[in-house]
Amino acid sequence: GNSVTQMEGPVTLSEEAFLTINCTYTATGYPSLFWYVQYPGEGLQLLLKATKADDKGSNKGFEATYRKETTSFHLEKGSVQVSDSAVYFCALSDLSGGFKTIFGAGTRLFVKA
Amino acid sequence: NAGVTQTPKFQVLKTGQSMTLQCAQDMNHEYMSWYRQDPGMGLRLIHYSVGAGITDQGEVPNGYNVSRSTTEDFPLRLLSAAPSQTSVYFCASSATRQGSNTEAFFGQGTRLTVV
Repeated sequence: GNSVTQMEGPVTLSEEAFLTINCTYTATGYPSLFWYVQYPGEGLQLLLKATKADDKGSNKGFEATYRKETTSFHLEKGSVQVSDSAVYFCALSDLSGGFKTIFGAGTRLFVKA
Repeated sequence: NAGVTQTPKFQVLKTGQSMTLQCAQDMNHEYMSWYRQDPGMGLRLIHYSVGAGITDQGEVPNGYNVSRSTTEDFPLRLLSAAPSQTSVYFCASSATRQGSNTEAFFGQGTRLTVV
């Protein structure tokens, strides 16, 4: 079945540091890939997405590229801010999975001033 | 624009009690789902629905029932609450297009404690 694996946290960075959160997936079809962010006490919200191989999703300075050859969708940001402190979830969805969206375990990011 | 509305936000139940978590969306989305979020385990799919009258089980369906009588509503019923069901519950909805889900919209969550 489909699955998503992302790096364990927590990740602690200083402000303006470079961020990478690794995400790899297993899927039998051609999934759409997503990154969601969850701020404390809130539900998840979409950060960015990519629907086919080599697509790059970007939003708020975050980027991720859909790499079919390595089945990866790593999240990056060049310079993090304190306000980026949150939990980040990698996810996939495709028809072979019956439209289900499957999430990774989440990676908590702490950014220190 | 309400999006996905979940009620209640907080609930404490005694073991053996039953209750219904409500979820409503106003975006005319076909796909709705319920997840539970537990520390270190991410979001696990409980039940989902691809349209009115159609529901199916996710990863962790035991102890929960759902129904989908309208496009807008997708309630989750706990039949006989157990301490293992203490968790944060999220409802989500999305449109289905070209064979995959588009962006999922989430409710604010229900924090449930079973004592």
